[in-house]
Amino acid sequence: NAGVTQTPKFQVLKTGQSMTLQCAQDMNHNSMYWYRQDPGMGLRLIYYSASEGTTDKGEVPNGYNVSRLNKREFSLRLESAAPSQTSVYFCASTEGRSSYNEQFFGPGTRLTVL
Amino acid sequence: GNSVTQMEGPVTLSEEAFLTINCTYTATGYPSLFWYVQYPGEGLQLLLKATKADDKGSNKGFEATYRKETTSFHLEKGSVQVSDSAVYFCALKKTNTGNQFYFGTGTSLTVIP
Repeated sequence: NAGVTQTPKFQVLKTGQSMTLQCAQDMNHNSMYWYRQDPGMGLRLIYYSASEGTTDKGEVPNGYNVSRLNKREFSLRLESAAPSQTSVYFCASTEGRSSYNEQFFGPGTRLTVL
Repeated sequence: GNSVTQMEGPVTLSEEAFLTINCTYTATGYPSLFWYVQYPGEGLQLLLKATKADDKGSNKGFEATYRKETTSFHLEKGSVQVSDSAVYFCALKKTNTGNQFYFGTGTSLTVIP
Protein backbone atom coordinates (compact mmCIF):
# COMPACT_ATOMS: atom_id res chain seq x y z
CA ASN A 1 0.00 0.00 0.00
CA ALA A 2 2.00 2.97 -1.32
CA GLY A 3 -0.46 5.73 -0.37
CA VAL A 4 0.11 8.88 -2.45
CA THR A 5 3.04 8.83 -4.87
CA GLN A 6 4.46 11.73 -6.84
CA THR A 7 6.91 11.90 -9.70
CA PRO A 8 9.42 13.34 -10.18
CA LYS A 9 10.96 14.10 -6.77
CA PHE A 10 13.16 16.88 -8.13
CA GLN A 11 13.08 18.90 -11.35
CA VAL A 12 14.95 21.86 -12.77
CA LEU A 13 13.39 23.75 -15.67
CA LYS A 14 14.32 26.75 -17.73
CA THR A 15 11.87 29.62 -18.09
CA GLY A 16 9.31 28.81 -20.75
CA GLN A 17 9.68 25.04 -20.59
CA SER A 18 6.69 22.85 -19.85
CA MET A 19 6.31 19.82 -17.63
CA THR A 20 3.71 17.62 -15.96
CA LEU A 21 3.81 16.54 -12.35
CA GLN A 22 2.25 13.14 -11.79
CA CYS A 23 0.30 12.01 -8.75
CA ALA A 24 -1.36 8.69 -8.00
CA GLN A 25 -3.14 7.25 -4.96
CA ASP A 26 -4.05 3.65 -4.23
CA MET A 27 -6.55 4.26 -1.42
CA ASN A 28 -9.65 4.53 -3.64
CA HIS A 29 -10.09 8.16 -2.57
CA ASN A 30 -12.62 10.38 -4.28
CA SER A 31 -10.93 13.77 -3.84
CA MET A 32 -7.45 14.86 -4.88
CA TYR A 33 -5.56 18.13 -4.49
CA TRP A 34 -2.49 20.01 -5.63
CA TYR A 35 -0.75 22.45 -3.28
CA ARG A 36 2.37 24.53 -3.46
CA GLN A 37 4.47 25.31 -0.41
CA ASP A 38 6.65 28.40 -0.25
CA PRO A 39 8.66 29.71 2.72
CA GLY A 40 6.45 31.72 5.07
CA MET A 41 3.32 31.05 2.97
CA GLY A 42 2.22 27.70 4.26
CA LEU A 43 0.26 25.53 1.84
CA ARG A 44 -1.68 27.17 -0.97
CA LEU A 45 -4.25 25.21 -2.96
CA ILE A 46 -3.70 25.29 -6.72
CA TYR A 47 -6.46 22.99 -8.00
CA TYR A 48 -8.56 20.22 -6.61
CA SER A 49 -10.81 17.46 -7.85
CA ALA A 50 -13.68 16.71 -5.50
CA SER A 51 -14.56 13.59 -7.46
CA GLU A 52 -13.58 11.81 -10.66
CA GLY A 53 -14.56 13.93 -13.65
CA THR A 54 -14.53 17.29 -11.84
CA THR A 55 -11.82 19.85 -11.24
CA ASP A 56 -11.94 23.28 -9.62
CA LYS A 57 -9.60 26.19 -9.11
CA GLY A 58 -8.09 26.82 -5.74
CA GLU A 59 -6.37 29.90 -4.38
CA VAL A 60 -3.48 30.16 -6.90
CA PRO A 61 -4.45 28.47 -10.23
CA ASN A 62 -2.81 30.89 -12.68
CA GLY A 63 -0.12 29.27 -14.82
CA TYR A 64 -1.31 25.72 -14.08
CA ASN A 65 -3.68 23.16 -15.57
CA VAL A 66 -4.82 19.84 -14.16
CA SER A 67 -6.25 16.57 -15.41
CA ARG A 68 -8.09 13.99 -13.34
CA LEU A 69 -7.13 11.09 -15.55
CA ASN A 70 -9.11 8.51 -13.58
CA LYS A 71 -9.96 7.93 -9.95
CA ARG A 72 -6.32 7.16 -9.08
CA GLU A 73 -4.42 9.83 -10.97
CA PHE A 74 -4.36 13.63 -10.89
CA SER A 75 -1.71 15.49 -12.86
CA LEU A 76 -0.55 19.10 -12.72
CA ARG A 77 0.83 20.78 -15.84
CA LEU A 78 2.96 23.88 -16.16
CA GLU A 79 2.62 25.03 -19.77
CA SER A 80 5.29 27.75 -19.67
CA ALA A 81 7.29 27.69 -16.47
CA ALA A 82 8.24 30.94 -14.73
CA PRO A 83 10.72 31.54 -11.88
CA SER A 84 7.74 32.42 -9.64
CA GLN A 85 6.69 28.78 -9.91
CA THR A 86 9.81 27.62 -8.09
CA SER A 87 8.30 25.81 -5.13
CA VAL A 88 7.64 22.47 -3.50
CA TYR A 89 4.49 20.85 -4.88
CA PHE A 90 2.41 18.42 -2.86
CA CYS A 91 -0.36 16.18 -4.03
CA ALA A 92 -2.94 14.98 -1.50
CA SER A 93 -6.07 12.87 -1.43
CA THR A 94 -9.01 12.18 0.84
CA GLU A 95 -11.93 9.80 0.87
CA GLY A 96 -14.11 12.88 0.60
CA ARG A 97 -17.59 11.83 1.56
CA SER A 98 -17.22 12.81 5.20
CA SER A 99 -15.74 15.83 6.91
CA TYR A 100 -14.06 13.41 9.31
CA ASN A 101 -11.59 12.07 6.77
CA GLU A 102 -8.10 13.49 6.74
CA GLN A 103 -5.93 14.26 3.74
CA PHE A 104 -3.01 12.02 2.88
CA PHE A 105 0.00 13.70 1.32
CA GLY A 106 2.64 12.63 -1.14
CA PRO A 107 6.36 13.23 -0.52
CA GLY A 108 6.49 16.33 -2.73
CA THR A 109 8.17 17.51 -5.92
CA ARG A 110 10.87 20.13 -5.55
CA LEU A 111 10.79 22.31 -8.66
CA THR A 112 13.30 25.00 -9.58
CA VAL A 113 12.69 27.28 -12.56
CA LEU A 114 15.76 29.15 -13.76
CA GLY B 1 -15.16 32.55 4.79
CA ASN B 2 -13.15 29.69 6.18
CA SER B 3 -9.67 30.30 7.54
CA VAL B 4 -7.13 29.13 10.09
CA THR B 5 -4.74 31.32 12.07
CA GLN B 6 -1.86 29.82 13.98
CA MET B 7 0.88 31.36 16.04
CA GLU B 8 3.93 32.70 14.31
CA GLY B 9 7.17 30.85 14.66
CA PRO B 10 9.81 29.84 14.90
CA VAL B 11 9.52 28.31 18.35
CA THR B 12 12.65 27.05 20.11
CA LEU B 13 12.36 24.95 23.27
CA SER B 14 14.66 22.92 25.44
CA GLU B 15 14.10 19.20 25.67
CA GLU B 16 11.36 18.26 28.20
CA ALA B 17 9.76 21.73 28.04
CA PHE B 18 6.01 22.22 27.70
CA LEU B 19 4.73 23.05 24.22
CA THR B 20 1.69 25.05 23.17
CA ILE B 21 1.01 26.08 19.59
CA ASN B 22 -2.09 28.23 19.26
CA CYS B 23 -4.62 27.74 16.49
CA THR B 24 -7.90 29.56 15.96
CA TYR B 25 -10.33 29.13 13.10
CA THR B 26 -13.14 30.91 11.31
CA ALA B 27 -15.87 28.78 9.81
CA THR B 28 -19.63 28.48 9.76
CA GLY B 29 -21.20 25.31 10.99
CA TYR B 30 -19.19 22.40 12.31
CA PRO B 31 -15.85 21.80 10.63
CA SER B 32 -13.46 19.00 11.48
CA LEU B 33 -10.08 20.15 12.81
CA PHE B 34 -6.66 18.64 12.21
CA TRP B 35 -3.03 19.00 13.18
CA TYR B 36 -0.43 17.89 10.65
CA VAL B 37 3.32 17.58 11.14
CA GLN B 38 6.00 17.98 8.47
CA TYR B 39 9.51 16.68 9.10
CA PRO B 40 12.36 18.15 7.02
CA GLY B 41 12.23 17.09 3.40
CA GLU B 42 8.98 15.17 3.78
CA GLY B 43 5.27 15.60 3.09
CA LEU B 44 2.69 16.36 5.74
CA GLN B 45 1.48 13.60 8.06
CA LEU B 46 -1.65 13.63 10.16
CA LEU B 47 -0.80 14.09 13.84
CA LEU B 48 -4.30 14.18 15.35
CA LYS B 49 -7.84 15.28 14.62
CA ALA B 50 -11.16 16.17 16.26
CA THR B 51 -14.50 16.05 14.52
CA LYS B 52 -16.90 17.75 16.94
CA ALA B 53 -16.96 20.26 19.76
CA ASP B 54 -15.22 19.19 22.99
CA ASP B 55 -13.51 16.26 21.27
CA LYS B 56 -9.88 15.77 22.24
CA GLY B 57 -7.50 14.42 19.64
CA SER B 58 -4.29 12.81 20.87
CA ASN B 59 -1.28 11.03 19.42
CA LYS B 60 2.39 10.54 20.39
CA GLY B 61 1.93 12.63 23.55
CA PHE B 62 0.36 15.55 21.66
CA GLU B 63 -3.17 16.70 22.47
CA ALA B 64 -5.63 19.26 21.16
CA THR B 65 -9.22 19.99 22.22
CA TYR B 66 -11.87 21.32 19.86
CA ARG B 67 -13.27 24.41 21.59
CA LYS B 68 -16.24 25.78 19.71
CA GLU B 69 -16.86 28.61 22.17
CA THR B 70 -13.39 30.06 21.55
CA THR B 71 -13.03 28.65 17.98
CA SER B 72 -9.68 27.19 18.96
CA PHE B 73 -7.72 23.95 18.59
CA HIS B 74 -4.43 24.55 20.42
CA LEU B 75 -1.74 21.87 20.22
CA GLU B 76 -0.02 20.86 23.47
CA LYS B 77 2.64 18.42 24.60
CA GLY B 78 3.85 18.07 28.13
CA SER B 79 7.49 17.20 27.45
CA VAL B 80 8.98 17.74 24.00
CA GLN B 81 11.85 15.74 22.56
CA VAL B 82 14.49 16.61 19.98
CA SER B 83 12.65 14.30 17.57
CA ASP B 84 9.58 16.59 17.74
CA SER B 85 11.48 19.26 15.78
CA ALA B 86 9.29 19.85 12.72
CA VAL B 87 6.75 22.24 11.22
CA TYR B 88 3.20 21.93 12.57
CA PHE B 89 0.10 22.88 10.56
CA CYS B 90 -3.42 23.41 11.85
CA ALA B 91 -6.21 22.76 9.34
CA LEU B 92 -9.98 22.60 9.02
CA LYS B 93 -12.25 20.78 6.61
CA LYS B 94 -15.85 21.23 5.62
CA THR B 95 -17.56 18.90 3.22
CA ASN B 96 -19.84 21.56 1.76
CA THR B 97 -16.89 23.40 0.22
CA GLY B 98 -15.98 20.66 -2.24
CA ASN B 99 -13.94 18.86 0.41
CA GLN B 100 -11.47 21.72 0.63
CA PHE B 101 -9.03 21.89 3.49
CA TYR B 102 -7.89 25.21 4.90
CA PHE B 103 -4.39 25.27 6.37
CA GLY B 104 -2.63 27.68 8.67
CA THR B 105 0.78 28.98 7.66
CA GLY B 106 2.64 26.50 9.84
CA THR B 107 4.73 26.87 13.01
CA SER B 108 8.33 25.72 13.02
CA LEU B 109 9.46 24.02 16.23
CA THR B 110 13.07 23.35 17.13
CA VAL B 111 13.85 21.38 20.29
CA ILE B 112 17.40 21.66 21.60
CA PRO B 113 19.03 19.09 23.89
